[in-house]
Parts: sequence; C-alpha cells; structure tokens
Amino acid sequence: QLHLQESGSGLVKPSQTLSLTCDVSGGSISSGDYSWGWIRQPPGKGLEWIGSMYHNGYAYYNPSLQSRVTVSIDRSKNQFSLKLTSVTAADTAVYYCARAAYRDPLTNWGQGTLVTVSS
Amino acid sequence: DIVMTQSPDSLAVSLGERATINCKSSQSLLHSSNNKNYLAWYQQRPGQPPKLLIYWASSRESGVPDRFSGSGSGTDFTLTISSLQAEDVAVYFCHQYYNTQYTFGQGTKLEI
Repeated sequence: QLHLQESGSGLVKPSQTLSLTCDVSGGSISSGDYSWGWIRQPPGKGLEWIGSMYHNGYAYYNPSLQSRVTVSIDRSKNQFSLKLTSVTAADTAVYYCARAAYRDPLTNWGQGTLVTVSS
Repeated sequence: DIVMTQSPDSLAVSLGERATINCKSSQSLLHSSNNKNYLAWYQQRPGQPPKLLIYWASSRESGVPDRFSGSGSGTDFTLTISSLQAEDVAVYFCHQYYNTQYTFGQGTKLEI
C-alpha cells in the first residue's frame, strides 16, 4: 500500500522560500509510469494544482505559479520536493503531495501539511 | 487552462434522498484516441485529503459504495448519490486530467 507523507516548515516568513518534502513508502518512486505532484488548499477554499514531475523527468507547473515553483525528485531517498520562492500570505495553505499513473487522475494523496506565511 | 465550474456551490439533501452535483468544463474532456472522458470526482471530509470516487467520468474506484455514480461526456458531467447517508456529508470536487495542467472545480458542499 503506497503511503505519502509531507514534511517541512509549517511557518515561513514573507519573501522567503517554502520547502516541503514528500516521503514515499510502500513503493519505489523510480518504478512505473507515474507523476509526482503537489496540490494546495487555502483554509476553507478549493484545490489548486501546483505542479508535477513525470517519470520521464519532465516537470509541468501551474502557469500562475510557474515563475516561483520547482518540483524535484530524489530517487536515492525515495522522496520528492517542492520549493516555492518569494512567498506571501496568499501562499498560506494545506499542501498535499500526490501520485498519478500516466494519464490517470491523482489517486494517492498524503495527509497534507499546513504552511502559514507570516512574519 | 481548462476551467471547471461546479453547481451548486452548496446543497442540502435529506437522508435517503438523491443528491446531484454538476460540473462543466470549458473545453471537451473526451479524448478521440480512446473515447474516454478525463474527468474525476473526489470527496473531501473535514480535515482529510481528497478521496477519489469516480474516474473516466463514470468508473467507480474500488471500495466506493455503489450509491455513488458518475455520468456525462464532453463538457457536462454529473455526480449522483442515489440515497444520501450521514457519512456522505463532505465537499465534492470535480477534476480534469485531460492535459498536464490539472484543474479542479471550486467544490460543492453537501449537507444534510
């Protein structure tokens, strides 16, 4: 059973960089045709896809965030990461990591982690 | 971007009654190569991550009760709960995975 777990700083100051990691257990991040991605949800609001990295090494990002986002995979640690630069209060949200098989919907989700942007 | 619009934003249904949620996409989600609609439905209970209910617009995920069903094609889709149970209180989202730029509907809050 695949398990995803987010970790990282829960409090980030404005203008700094938000960094999160998703640990993958119960399966290898290197096997199969999957994408590994991040989605966020501001408190009381809807879901916003941030970006995903595919098995072929290509990354795709939400155009509204593309200039500030990087998703990367560390196969040696079986984990993938999110970096979001120049954060503001509008980036306060629960951040989820998730996996999708190629051309499939997001099927496996982490429990989510709340990141607050505040001085 | 493919814009997903759900209706209504909130819905109150009596226990045992039918609940219907609609989702409209700004472009067709039907792919000509395989005749599949790249549309999924999720359920999100408070404090929980989204749970996949329906994919390919009408295929039920393993373990999902058969009172949940999805229908529609092209740009118009529907999630139906045939007989509402107390545990179905949640927010429901539609999601398109037609291209690599995933988008979601704004959500529909379902209450008793």
